[in-house]
Amino acid sequence: KNQVEQSPQSLIILEGKNCTLQCNYTVSPFSNLRWYKQDTGRGPVSLTIMTFSENTKSNGRYTATLDADTKQSSLHITASQLSDSASYICVVSGGTDSWGKLQFGAGTQVVVTP
Amino acid sequence: DGGITQSPKYLFRKEGQNVTLSCEQNLNHDAMYWYRQDPGQGLRLIYYSQIVNDFQKGDIAEGYSVSREKKESFPLTVTSAQKNPTAFYLCASSIDGRQPLHFGNGTRLTVT
Repeated sequence: KNQVEQSPQSLIILEGKNCTLQCNYTVSPFSNLRWYKQDTGRGPVSLTIMTFSENTKSNGRYTATLDADTKQSSLHITASQLSDSASYICVVSGGTDSWGKLQFGAGTQVVVTP
Repeated sequence: DGGITQSPKYLFRKEGQNVTLSCEQNLNHDAMYWYRQDPGQGLRLIYYSQIVNDFQKGDIAEGYSVSREKKESFPLTVTSAQKNPTAFYLCASSIDGRQPLHFGNGTRLTVT
């Protein structure tokens, strides 16, 4: 069973609107949680990385939140642009050493339409 | 520009042939990784290397081999023993295991 579940699987939004993507995880122990953006046919690009003590982190129009108690994270996209069309991947790092194994979610495919 | 270069972008091979995917980085990162991406699934770790001349198996290492003779290079060989090799392969690097991964733009391998 995947230890990182993302929802929705896909969504379509109008340009200029906001949207929120969800990530639930069961990875334990927890080290950090990362969000990546992957354009079609390209490699993922890091958006944010949050440790246990961080609740919110922003990167431009992207804001990630983390609730380590409930093991949930969200990625909020504000004022979406056509260039936001991509897959957004939640990644959780577990383990107690510096090479903690990464668990990848399957991603949420976002399509922004004019 | 610093980054990771994967080549080629597309690769076609006949079943039974070994094929090597190239990955080069100029970020001076110690750690390098190979992932496989299939539709509807999360990335899966094939191999990773923390330092030159050392590498570790990931979750799906069977049918793959790697080498790490130079800090900058981490080639992946997909052997004929890999039962389902058609996939999108991503190479990544990081300063260490806790830092964000920097990915290349992938190689799409098709085996027929």
